[in-house]
Amino acid sequence: DTAVSQTPKYLVTQMGNDKSIKCEQNLGHDTMYWYKQDSKKFLKIMFSYNNKELIINETVPNRFSPKSPDKAHLNLHINSLELGDSAVYFCASSQESFNQPQHFGDGTRLSIL
Amino acid sequence: AQSVTQLDSQVPVFEEAPVELRCNYSSSVSVYLFWYVQYPNQGLQLLLKYLSGSTLVKGINGFEAEFNKSQTSFHLRKPSVHISDTAEYFCAVERYNQGGKLIFGQGTELSVKP
Repeated sequence: DTAVSQTPKYLVTQMGNDKSIKCEQNLGHDTMYWYKQDSKKFLKIMFSYNNKELIINETVPNRFSPKSPDKAHLNLHINSLELGDSAVYFCASSQESFNQPQHFGDGTRLSIL
Repeated sequence: AQSVTQLDSQVPVFEEAPVELRCNYSSSVSVYLFWYVQYPNQGLQLLLKYLSGSTLVKGINGFEAEFNKSQTSFHLRKPSVHISDTAEYFCAVERYNQGGKLIFGQGTELSVKP
């Protein structure tokens, strides 16, 4: 009965590879987000989708491409992984796209060798 | 540009002592304010939020925070902490006109010792 679930929990891969992280929420929320948490625990928003439409797109390299097949899912695909991509990636969701608390998944720890 | 500053990166306290975690923000427009907690190897959980109205807001686990518009602060307090409160705490703001875009502070590591 997990509210926001991400897979995989851990991802270890080599530079140059392409990988995807999946996120699903069963809360019936309209808005989903991707955040990156670096090694110093600093959190920064990357993308946000509302009802499958992109509404926030921060200055993220275009190697990162979010995809929302429906409003319950927001996946993150990363091409040509670089060492600097090593981080914990969090998916979150909220009822609306403003002034609503966001519900976070447990994160995906991505390590680039 | 807006920013969020958490003034203490680490706060060690003894069990049952009071604690205050400080947060200041800068923004040219009105904001919504949030405190989140992150336990080890977990995602963030909402502690409390300020949207409007009373400047003193109460959250889960006995935490409360006070919005001070003149000082642009939103400090988090708890009168008596427990070992289980040991975690990372994040202050965040959302501008009225930037729906859902949370700007986080750097985090404060609260360490409660017996």
